[in-house]
Amino acid sequence: EIVMTQSPATLSVSPGERATLSCRASQSISSNLAWYQQKPGQAPRLLIYGASTRATGIPARFSGSGSGTEFTLTISSLQSEDFAVYYCQQCDNWPQTFGQGTKVEI
Amino acid sequence: EVQLLESGGGLVQPGGSLRLSCAASGFTFSDYVMNWVRQAPGKGLEWVSSISGSGGGIFYADSVRGRFTISRDNSKNTLYLQVNSLRADDAALYYCAKARSSTRLLGDGFDPWGQGTLVTVSS
Repeated sequence: EIVMTQSPATLSVSPGERATLSCRASQSISSNLAWYQQKPGQAPRLLIYGASTRATGIPARFSGSGSGTEFTLTISSLQSEDFAVYYCQQCDNWPQTFGQGTKVEI
Repeated sequence: EVQLLESGGGLVQPGGSLRLSCAASGFTFSDYVMNWVRQAPGKGLEWVSSISGSGGGIFYADSVRGRFTISRDNSKNTLYLQVNSLRADDAALYYCAKARSSTRLLGDGFDPWGQGTLVTVSS
């Protein structure tokens, strides 16, 4: 099983600042990585797939990068609605696995 | 608009069973891999199971293999998860999610997700 490790567990930032979230895979997953945003009481929402492609309707301030084992989600200028938990998911092999999440808070 | 509506959750005793359903609309259901993902209260996401568009490809997490059965009825645009021999650690919100792309069994993530159905395991 591929283990996905996200860091940090919690990221404290201010509106307008840049946020950088990391995700590491225990073995190479090429670019088969997705990022999700989850707000309290809501289902997860796909932000990024293929490591760097924004999903439909996702603002340009969200960007993804990386390949192999190291991946990054960057939010260029945090808006109030971006405070949430973010998960990465490897989609390269069964079982598909998620990271434990990064909470972005004020 | 793609919609996924889960149902069938509830309170069940340890060792009990439930059948979860996910009614889909707004897309050609038989073209897409469908998935179940669960989230225990206050915890992260755990992939549970996936099924190919035809139903011929089925995959399970080790934690549920042998106890849970995924299936689909393409004539009814409905996904199912039969959950048997329930344990306390199966208690979670169970989400149904559509594969983002119709062209791959793996690789593109899940989009969208339903709102979930809650399974509570308690005596």
